[in-house]
This record gives sequence, structure tokens and C-alpha cells, in this order.
Amino acid sequence: ILNVEQSPQSLHVQEGDSTNFTCSFPSSNFYALHWYRWETAKSPEALFVMTLNGDEKKKGRISATLNTKEGYSYLYIKGSQPEDSATYLCAFIYGYSTLTFGKGTMLLVSP
Amino acid sequence: DTEVTQTPKHLVMGMTNKKSLKCEQHMGHRAMYWYKQKAKKPPELMFVYSYEKLSINESVPSRFSPECPNSSLLNLHLHALQPEDSALYLCASSGEGKDGNEQFFGPGTRLTVL
Repeated sequence: ILNVEQSPQSLHVQEGDSTNFTCSFPSSNFYALHWYRWETAKSPEALFVMTLNGDEKKKGRISATLNTKEGYSYLYIKGSQPEDSATYLCAFIYGYSTLTFGKGTMLLVSP
Repeated sequence: DTEVTQTPKHLVMGMTNKKSLKCEQHMGHRAMYWYKQKAKKPPELMFVYSYEKLSINESVPSRFSPECPNSSLLNLHLHALQPEDSALYLCASSGEGKDGNEQFFGPGTRLTVL
């Protein structure tokens, strides 16, 4: 059983605050790491697919980094907005298209 | 069309019923997936189809029977389910089925077993 840990479990910030979450995963047999955003009553939506050690990816105010040697990835949100409120899931890819999800970080951004 | 659709959105069934969940995508993806998600837990992989063939079955009980009639459709046939099978069932697809390709998820079917 692969252990994919996310922290914190939940986070409540004010509009405009910057925040970051952590995803830790097994450092051996690494293939890829995905970040997904899951808003209530919607489908999980892919944010980033990260495959190389040292990868840094950015989409608007959201960015992510990857360290495969030590087995962690950070997701950063700059200047959080209420519409960023969602559960952020990371998923570790091993084998043939097999994702193991972490439990997610639930973010609530208050206006 | 970058959407994965699932029907029905909600399903209530008894333990003796037979029902099916349907999933459809028209993105040309050759890998399709079924996940089960219980409240406050992450999605758990159930099945993976690659090029219309079952490639992964994560030790799912036989009361769940997947079917991939063609490259755009994925079904999950349900029979003799238990109340603990109540969950959100998510379908997803990805291009070529290779590691690293992002998965596109449907909105899910909320299943309640009485």
C-alpha cells in the first residue's frame, strides 16, 4: 500500500493571503505526480502533471514544485480568492496509469 | 469536447436490484477508469481499461462488473450490492493510458444502497 500524505488537512484563510500545501509520497518508483482541484458538486480538475525532479509549474496564481529525491511536492496559491475554495488533491502515479490519491487539503477562503 | 459525462447523477437501489452506471467521453482517450469515493476519503481506484481491455482490477468484489463496449463508453454493472457500497462513483479518462497523463473526471454518480 502506497502512502501519499497531504498536509494540512484543512486550511481557512482570508482573501488576499498566500498559502501553500504539502504532498509527500514514496521517493522510489516515481513516475509522475498530479495535482487536482475538486470543488464541491463538480468534477476533480487537473491542475498540474509533474514528472521531473525540480519541476516548477505555474497556472495563474497557482504554482507547484516537485522534489522526487526527497518525495514531496508543494502547491502554492498567491493572493487567495474565494473562488479558490476547494479540496486540493495530489495523486502519485506508479505502474500503468495507476493513481494513488492523498486525502486532500480542504481550503476555505473567506472574503 | 473535453467533457466526461456520467449517468445517472443519483441512484438509489435495493440490495437485490441490478443497475448500471454509464460513463462517456469523446476526447479520443484510450484509457478509462472507475473510482469509488467515500465521504471524507480520497478516490480509490477500482478498474482501469486500456484500449477497451481491462488492465487493472484492484481486487474489487464481483458484485461490481465493468464493461467497455467501445472506446468512448464505460459501464459499471451493479448486482447484489451492500449498504457499505454507498458512495460516489467517479469515471475518468486519459490519453493513451501512459503514466503522467492527466485524468479527466466526470461529475460522478451518487449511489445509495438500501
